Amino acid sequence: DTEVTQTPKHLVMGMTNKKSLKCEQHMGHRAMYWYKQKAKKPPELMFVYSYEKLSINESVPSRFSPECPNSSLLNLHLHALQPEDSALYLCASSQVEGAGLEQYFGPGTRLTVT
Amino acid sequence: AQSVTQLDSHVSVSEGTPVLLRCNYSSSYSPSLFWYVQHPNKGLQLLLKYTSAATLVKGINGFEAEFKKSETSFHLTKPSAHMSDAAEYFCVVSEVNTGRRALTFGSGTRLQVQP
Repeated sequence: DTEVTQTPKHLVMGMTNKKSLKCEQHMGHRAMYWYKQKAKKPPELMFVYSYEKLSINESVPSRFSPECPNSSLLNLHLHALQPEDSALYLCASSQVEGAGLEQYFGPGTRLTVT
Repeated sequence: AQSVTQLDSHVSVSEGTPVLLRCNYSSSYSPSLFWYVQHPNKGLQLLLKYTSAATLVKGINGFEAEFKKSETSFHLTKPSAHMSDAAEYFCVVSEVNTGRRALTFGSGTRLQVQP
């Protein structure tokens, strides 16, 4: 089973709200990723977790706060977002963090900030 | 440094005709190369990957790609397009011997399939 699940599918939030995105995989992968994808663009890497520890933060604003409670779960906490943060947020996982390894993507959460 | 260039932002074919999506890469070391497909409002699905074994790689849904080191290319082909192939396709490179652990995405090619 190569499935990565994400909830919710859609999220609309105001600029003062706090919300969270959730990602789950049961493939035993030890690396998990958050990407942001704007319309008609490729995904942009935001964060990488390796063995539940934050490995890469691509200079993402602090209004995005990732969390990895265990090896199967990855959260992205959102607070005081801006309208330009509206995008498709994709979660991915790979066996371990390493070059040359394929990543498996979830279906994404479509976020709209009003 | 690694980079990838998808030579066409938009490709339109008729159903039943061959598909060719072009990708050139730049890599200092031995690259791993991938093709991903993204249907509208969906996540990315891995079509195929090259990791220095056979140069002709077969993927899912009848797609295949050939790694040509002399041309630094990794073009994606399919003999006969189906309506369900209409989607965005991303060529992706990952270098094995460098410290950069993330994937590098091309800008994408939108494939349209006409009936």
